[in-house]
Parts: sequence; C-alpha cells; structure tokens
Amino acid sequence: AQTVTQSQPEMSVQEAETVTLSCTYDTSESDYYLFWYKQPPSRQMILVIRQEAYKQQNATENRFSVNFQKAAKSFSLKISDSQLGDAAMYFCAYRRLYGQNFVFGPGTRLSVLP
Amino acid sequence: SAVISQKPSRDICQRGTSLTIQCQVDSQVTMMFWYRQQPGQSLTLIATANQGSEATYESGFVIDKFPISRPNLTFSTLTVSNMSPEDSSIYLCSVDGTFPTDTQYFGPGTRLTVL
Repeated sequence: AQTVTQSQPEMSVQEAETVTLSCTYDTSESDYYLFWYKQPPSRQMILVIRQEAYKQQNATENRFSVNFQKAAKSFSLKISDSQLGDAAMYFCAYRRLYGQNFVFGPGTRLSVLP
Repeated sequence: SAVISQKPSRDICQRGTSLTIQCQVDSQVTMMFWYRQQPGQSLTLIATANQGSEATYESGFVIDKFPISRPNLTFSTLTVSNMSPEDSSIYLCSVDGTFPTDTQYFGPGTRLTVL
C-alpha cells in the first residue's frame, strides 16, 4: 500500500521569505500523481499544485513550486514570497494513475510571521 | 473545477442520534467521495459513492454506521448513525475534476461535534 510522510508537523516563515515543506512517499508504481493541498482555518481544501510522475519537469504555480525527485520518492513544496494568507495546514497527497482515492500525508501546519 | 456545497456547515449533536450531511455539486459527476478528518488529523476516505450502485466502503467503515445515498449525478448524502463523541470530526465530500480528472475538489466540510 502507498504511504505518504510529512516529517514536519509544524513550520514557520517570515512574511516575504521562502519556505520548503517536505513530503516523501512510498509506492511500487511507476506512474502516478502527486498533489499539495492547502487547508486554511476555514476548512476548505484548496488545490495548490499538481505533478504528474511521468513528467520530469517540476510543476510551478505562481509563488508555489515543487522539487520532484522520483528516484528518491520526494515531493517538496516551495513557497516563495510568503504571505499571511499562506498560513494553513498543507497536505501532500498521492494518487495512482488509475486509482480512485487519494492517500494523504499527516499534514504540516505553516505559520507566517509578520 | 467543480463547485461543491455541503449542509450543514456545522452541528452539535447528542450521543446516540444520527445526522445526515448533504453534498451538492454544480455539475454531473460519476463518483463522489466522503472523507473524515478527525481533530488535528489528516483525511481518511470513508467511502466512494457511484450513482445507481452501492457505495464502496474503506476498511474500518461500515454501511450500518455510515449509510450513503447517491440518488443522482449531482447529489449525495452521508449519515453518521448512532453517534458517539469519537465521531466528532470534519466530514468532507469531494469529486473528481473534469479536466484533469485526476484532481479532486472538495466541499467546505461539515464540522460535527457529538456531546
């Protein structure tokens, strides 16, 4: 079974600085999808970024980018120019290529300090 | 992306009672998913609901405790039956996006507190 690990329960960053959240996963599959979701105090799960494992190029979305290391099964999220609104729980998630359900990591709580 | 609404947004219930949570999507979708998020925890899939067939439950979740209905392609309900304080959680529904279909979009969640 696939597992997702986020080794940092909590992180903090100064406003306008850069922070990297770690995620590792375990799978025997060669093709799959990886995601980062953000959950602010409002509870709404918001998609931050998505990566297809068969693409070597790292995904980027504005201030958010990933460092996808397939061999190492690592999928870290970098947030540049951090803003107060970035404060939230961040969940890394894995999905099989033809699978239905996600496997979520335990989450990292990010605080942004003014 | 899909726009998903849930009712109620929160509720406080007494032990032994049941609560039905509604999930409405603004477009037709094949599968809908129900998750539980216990306090301070990650998301755990309860079941997958296809229209016109029985829901598929994950290990540790049973139909008697979490009956699900899926009467059409835009709506589903999850009932939390015979509640105990351990059922206090956030319950979220989600659907696959239309493109790409591998991405799930989530409703705002229902915060349930059982006294």
